[in-house]
Amino acid sequence: DTGVSQNPRHKITKRGQNVTFRCDPISEHNRLYWYRQTLGQGPEFLTYFQNEAQLEKSRLLSDRFSAERPKGSFSTLEIQRTEQGDSAMYLCASSLGSGGDQPQHFGDGTRLSIL
Amino acid sequence: AQKVTQAQTEISVVEKEDVTLDCVYETRDTTYYLFWYKQPPSGELVFLIRRNSFDEQNEISGRYSWNFQKSTSSFNFTITASQVVDSAVYFCALRTSGTYKYIFGTGTRLKVLA
Repeated sequence: DTGVSQNPRHKITKRGQNVTFRCDPISEHNRLYWYRQTLGQGPEFLTYFQNEAQLEKSRLLSDRFSAERPKGSFSTLEIQRTEQGDSAMYLCASSLGSGGDQPQHFGDGTRLSIL
Repeated sequence: AQKVTQAQTEISVVEKEDVTLDCVYETRDTTYYLFWYKQPPSGELVFLIRRNSFDEQNEISGRYSWNFQKSTSSFNFTITASQVVDSAVYFCALRTSGTYKYIFGTGTRLKVLA
């Protein structure tokens, strides 16, 4: 169990640029989640994948955000035309979906700073 | 609507004191799941416990214990004989059946002073 891996750890970019983050879940985990966390707040749910299918997406997520999990393994989260308000820590989590509600394992996150 | 409230923003205790972190949740669903996570200064969220709505048994794990009361919609977390290593932000979370969306509270920052 090597844990959930996220890259890059930090991303600094200018407003208006596109950014892409990668998440490698724990290998046998079929469930994958993306969250956003700002200072002093709890993680805010963005989207959920079961294998390669994106089954749930937050209504708060604008159409500038898109996520994929093409082969049911790693996932990418892209933000287009970044804005100041996108500055946050982006967290990925995975879990094993085998009935019941298995605990999520979180990565260290990608911190995005918009200049 | 679903909601999780952690009214205590920050708590400071002296080592070896007991401390209780409060969590109040709101949901109209009868089937739901409650969680506690710890986020130490290093940043990675660590799972502590899961409880489903049909299991009101309280649980103890070492110095940690959890008190689930459906009558008051609360799922409180107590650390007995706190240690400096317990210093972290603790989050309570809720998931209801029919959705994979987890709703986290705003967290309680616990500072344990030596």
